[in-house]
Amino acid sequence: EAGVTQFPSHSVIEKGQTVTLRCDPISGHDNLYWYRRVMGKEIKFLLHFVKESKQDESGMPNNRFLAERTGGTYSTLKVQPAELEDSGVYFCASMYSGLGEQYFGPGTRLTVT
Amino acid sequence: QKEVEQDPGPLSVPEGAIVSLNCTYSNSAFQYFMWYRQYSRKGPELLMYTYSSGNKEDGRFTAQVDKSSKYISLFIRDSQPSDSATYLCAMDSSYKLIFGSGTRLLVRP
Repeated sequence: EAGVTQFPSHSVIEKGQTVTLRCDPISGHDNLYWYRRVMGKEIKFLLHFVKESKQDESGMPNNRFLAERTGGTYSTLKVQPAELEDSGVYFCASMYSGLGEQYFGPGTRLTVT
Repeated sequence: QKEVEQDPGPLSVPEGAIVSLNCTYSNSAFQYFMWYRQYSRKGPELLMYTYSSGNKEDGRFTAQVDKSSKYISLFIRDSQPSDSATYLCAMDSSYKLIFGSGTRLLVRP
């Protein structure tokens, strides 16, 4: 069974540009999460989808971040316009149902210069 | 004050040692407790998952949860160089995970 995949693995963009990160969850997992780890800090929750609906987006830093999950399958996270403080590693995780066992992807390392 | 506290290490031990990793937390509502292992430039890999208080064993790994003390532990027996990684504790809060900052472990051959 394929795990959670993320694309790209690394992205370097200039301040003010737009970047779109993609996550493909484990097949059949209705729950999809985005997390972020910025330098020197712990991994922090951004938002949670159940199928195509946003269940909780309390962790989204501001309105420059837009997440979508088309048809309840893959998800995209767009940052527009990117700022220096957006640099970090963005992780996606998926879970079948219930509580707890979230499986993480390898992450996308975003560098904003 | 952070909801989850974890000593960042690094923790360096010789091969074969028993390793003890710990986290404390402040929110008594947490019910699910997880340990993830993360190798450099990789995503967190779920190691252990425990509900409420008690012990859970899986091979060389044992997870303990003491809800009365708000303290969780991960023990690694017969540690191997391949166990060298960052270990993250995480707790489930309303379907989202709250992570500790991670402890770097180095197992010396």
